[in-house]
Amino acid sequence: KAGVTQTPRYLIKTRGQQVTLSCSPISGHRSVSWYQQTPGQGLQFLFEYFSETQRNKGNFPGRFSGRQFSNSRSEMNVSTLELGDSALYLCASSFQERDTQYFGPGTRLTVL
Amino acid sequence: GQQLNQSPQSMFIQEGEDVSMNCTSSSIFNTWLWYKQEPGEGPVLLIALYKAGELTSNGRLTAQFGITRKDSFLNISASIPSDVGIYFCAGLAVDSGYSTLTFGKGTMLLVSP
Repeated sequence: KAGVTQTPRYLIKTRGQQVTLSCSPISGHRSVSWYQQTPGQGLQFLFEYFSETQRNKGNFPGRFSGRQFSNSRSEMNVSTLELGDSALYLCASSFQERDTQYFGPGTRLTVL
Repeated sequence: GQQLNQSPQSMFIQEGEDVSMNCTSSSIFNTWLWYKQEPGEGPVLLIALYKAGELTSNGRLTAQFGITRKDSFLNISASIPSDVGIYFCAGLAVDSGYSTLTFGKGTMLLVSP
């Protein structure tokens, strides 16, 4: 069974731009969560989607948003990028909410 | 919010040695997970623990879900160079119907051949 896939793997943007990251969960998994990983803050929860509905949200500004499609694929969007948004963005999927999460390889975002 | 205290922050050991790391929290968790992350990759699930007191092994790895539900440890026996990476503990709590996965800061493991 294929794992969680994320595209693109690497991205370079400039301040003020916006970016969309994509995540395809493991086949059959309906829950997708997003995390931001930085050296200083570690892994921080962004949001969780289940059946196309946002079920939980972390403590991030409104510039961070996401959505989930009917096939469980998910996208996250960051608008008006700031230097501090440079991070590894990780997507994790689980069969349903409150299940063990499996991570993708991440998208490395660099904001210049 | 919930916080996990993971220790040690880093370890530098010789091949063949055993390793122990742990996580503690002031909050109760329903599930404890241990992940390993290598450079440029996402965390890979090593062991999942679902019941207080549960002791689970995965090859040379052994992890336990603390009886108080506020702590967990991971042991690696007879370490080898490919054990190098960052190990994260994570606790899954269910609050008001929503689940939140909280991560420790990680333990960086370096193994000298």
